[in-house]
Amino acid sequence: DAMVIQNPRYQVTQFGKPVTLSCSQTLNHNVMYWYQQKSSQAPKLLFHYYDKDFNNEADTPDNFQSRRPNTSFCFLDIRSPGLGDAAMYLCATSRRRRSSYNEQFFGPGTRLTVL
Amino acid sequence: DQQVKQNSPSLSVQEGRISILNCDYTNSMFDYFLWYKKYPAEGPTFLISISSIKDKNEDGRFTVFLNKSAKHLSLHIVPSQPGDSAVYFCAARGGGADGLTFGKGTHLIIQP
Repeated sequence: DAMVIQNPRYQVTQFGKPVTLSCSQTLNHNVMYWYQQKSSQAPKLLFHYYDKDFNNEADTPDNFQSRRPNTSFCFLDIRSPGLGDAAMYLCATSRRRRSSYNEQFFGPGTRLTVL
Repeated sequence: DQQVKQNSPSLSVQEGRISILNCDYTNSMFDYFLWYKKYPAEGPTFLISISSIKDKNEDGRFTVFLNKSAKHLSLHIVPSQPGDSAVYFCAARGGGADGLTFGKGTHLIIQP
């Protein structure tokens, strides 16, 4: 089945220790997104890639970076995690950007704990 | 500043009755609205959507209504089933943005 896969599902890191979250997709979609969802909050878009074109949200902290080496994979790097970065990180994909029917497909998420 | 608001954190409905989940938005540039359903330990899954040029979209037991003048949309589930118990997120897109703006979600509990 075509899907969006996130690894690991649970990640524990220490305060200030860099961490990388992984997302892969078999849908061959052009657009990949990273959302952050803190407890009882709405998912919030951090950034997205349209093919290799990186698009950062204005309020995404510099501490968050992303890489997309190919169509299938996208990584979220947190350079120096703080306690406030503990959250669920959701990866999503869509076939096109800014189309009328921009359905996004989500992975199961990675829950990040910062000690 | 929340642009998409779901004011009911939770909703309890009896099996077989109608579930109505509400969503309000503030950004008049939004032109497309979606509902996602989320089970524990899973990612959100797409449920139903509506374009701003319509006021109703129906898919089986699910109907979404859009009132543009009130900046309000609602999701109706009829009849409600135990498997509908989940968190429902309202999301919106528009103004040239690629990503979605989500509400905080409503936890729907279907009671037998």
